[in-house]
Amino acid sequence: GAVVSQHPSWVICKSGTSVKIECRSLDFQATTMFWYRQFPKQSLMLMATSNEGSKATYEQGVEKDKFLINHASLTLSTLTVTSAHPEDSSFYICSARRGQQTQYFGPGTRLLVL
Amino acid sequence: AQRVTQPEKLLSVFKGAPVELKCNYSYSGSPELFWYVQYSRQRLQLLLRHISRESIKGFTADLNKGETSFHLKKPFAQEEDSAMYYCALSGNNAGNMLTFGGGTRLMVKP
Repeated sequence: GAVVSQHPSWVICKSGTSVKIECRSLDFQATTMFWYRQFPKQSLMLMATSNEGSKATYEQGVEKDKFLINHASLTLSTLTVTSAHPEDSSFYICSARRGQQTQYFGPGTRLLVL
Repeated sequence: AQRVTQPEKLLSVFKGAPVELKCNYSYSGSPELFWYVQYSRQRLQLLLRHISRESIKGFTADLNKGETSFHLKKPFAQEEDSAMYYCALSGNNAGNMLTFGGGTRLMVKP
């Protein structure tokens, strides 16, 4: 089956620091990766869509300079939360898709900014 | 714009009872509808998609374009069905992004 991993699974950082989250497709090449954010007891909200080798497409209201996305290879996308603040604390989930097939989700990364 | 609505945040039933998780959508074109499930402490995973017309773990869902609904049903709930269920829509837009509903927590009591 298609497996997507995320690293780290959780991270605590100080306000003002930057945090990088990795999303990897382990056994398939993902032409498209998606980054979601999920607040407690709420649904997933799409942040951005990234295609390998091109710039990410951000959803309305998502600051692209705040949430830097890099999709340098067909198996790796990174999300960097720059100058993190407590309001950035959330559960970040990535998904990966090959062509037009189903999206496979990573286990998520819990970020806590103190 | 595309929107997915799950009117119930919580649905509690007894084991063996029928289950229906409601999902309504809004989309001007021909959507593709999905149900995703998230068990406790596990990642989100695809349960079924309407184009497959298959039954997974006893669950079925029929796309009703007239009512713009895609309700998830199971005739006899099991305790292991307790989880969060998300209805999602993918339109024929660029990127085929998924729009999720708010989710419904299903609790199956013994």
